[in-house]
Amino acid sequence: GQNIDQPTEMTATEGAIVQINCTYQTSGFNGLFWYQQHAGEAPTFLSYNVLDGLEEKGRFSSFLSRSKGYSYLLLKELQMKDSASYLCAVMDSNYQLIWGAGTKLIIKP
Amino acid sequence: IAGITQAPTSQILAAGRRMTLRCTQDMRHNAMYWYRQDLGLGLRLIHYSNTAGTTGKGEVPDGYSVSRANTDDFPLTLASAVPSQTSVYFCASGDSVSNEQFFGPGTRLTVL
Repeated sequence: GQNIDQPTEMTATEGAIVQINCTYQTSGFNGLFWYQQHAGEAPTFLSYNVLDGLEEKGRFSSFLSRSKGYSYLLLKELQMKDSASYLCAVMDSNYQLIWGAGTKLIIKP
Repeated sequence: IAGITQAPTSQILAAGRRMTLRCTQDMRHNAMYWYRQDLGLGLRLIHYSNTAGTTGKGEVPDGYSVSRANTDDFPLTLASAVPSQTSVYFCASGDSVSNEQFFGPGTRLTVL
């Protein structure tokens, strides 16, 4: 079967760094996405990795290891507005997205 | 303009009633999707359409139907609503170049 695992909830302090991990087992791989979802809102795109390595975009970075079925999202210089759920999704061999349940990130002052 | 719009924003529905959730995009994306999101679960694909005139079943299609008469519109119909269909429904469209999916604001549906 297909499976995406990520922690249910994490807590971090404003100004700090947090790493959200995602492991996956899917039928085929055509890229891994990270989305941000604030409570009551729609998911919005953060990053896309299809090759191994680190992709940096401002305060957010995403890493992929295809051989390990593993990715992480790194958030630096945390701000209160970063409090949200972070969704990991893998595009399978049919180009459909398989979604993790999301990690709720709580930022404390 | 708007990107993706969904209507209604929220709805309370009696069990057994028929309901159509509307979705319209203005980005000319070929691919469109309907997901439901329930607490503690990831987004689950209900139906999808890779291009106008074609549709396919996702992970949880039972009790739902879709149509894709043109590129812009992708309505989702619940023929006879049941309480287990209480959920937040998101419509999305997919950019075939970047593979990114763009989401509408969602419809909160409660079936009593």
